[in-house]
Amino acid sequence: DSGVTQTPKHLITATGQRVTLRCSPRSGDLSVYWYQQSLDQGLQFLIQYYNGEERAKGNILERFSAQQFPDLHSELNLSSLELGDSALYFCASSVARSGGLGVTDTQYFGPGTRLTVL
Amino acid sequence: GENVEQHPSTLSVQEGDSAVIKCTYSDSASNYFPWYKQELGKRPQLIIDIRSNVGEKKDQRIAVTLNKTAKHFSLHITETQPEDSAVYFCAASRWGGSEKLVFGKGTKLTVNP
Repeated sequence: DSGVTQTPKHLITATGQRVTLRCSPRSGDLSVYWYQQSLDQGLQFLIQYYNGEERAKGNILERFSAQQFPDLHSELNLSSLELGDSALYFCASSVARSGGLGVTDTQYFGPGTRLTVL
Repeated sequence: GENVEQHPSTLSVQEGDSAVIKCTYSDSASNYFPWYKQELGKRPQLIIDIRSNVGEKKDQRIAVTLNKTAKHFSLHITETQPEDSAVYFCAASRWGGSEKLVFGKGTKLTVNP
């Protein structure tokens, strides 16, 4: 158990719908990262939040949005869903130190949410 | 943009043999290189990582080597066991891992008893 929790585990929905995925980071971690894992694209970074603020964006579609709340949990909102959005969505968390020499910042992954769009 | 190439995509070995997976990264600013193991339907789990100021790191049967000049790093698993069967991902990141991980496409390792 990594200490990162995600809900729900599975989500089945129809095209055009909107869903919300939730992530709670490990205690003490300030940064949350969202990744999408699909068969053809592998593990792709979507977005990072640090202490409530957006820090970095990857190849995240405009239909997708995220936020990090004061208690540091994060939500990923996916709207106007398409068949191609079916994937495993992982969040990871880390302390997000400065990254100075000799310091590493391990990203711990949650169990993921499997999204199926029919 | 940043890219991580990983080879081979599949690897089959006999129990007790060694397995080697290789990755090449493109971003010169990358300084942190973790390896994750993912079993089917499960989360990626960190098995070993290395910083750019270190050339080699070992943890029991697992070792990682880094060649900064060639932008190349490798995972070595010795005395493989059936429970080592999984998909292995290499990744690269700036700032010691405090930024996004750029992943390779993964290597499916099968250890045959």
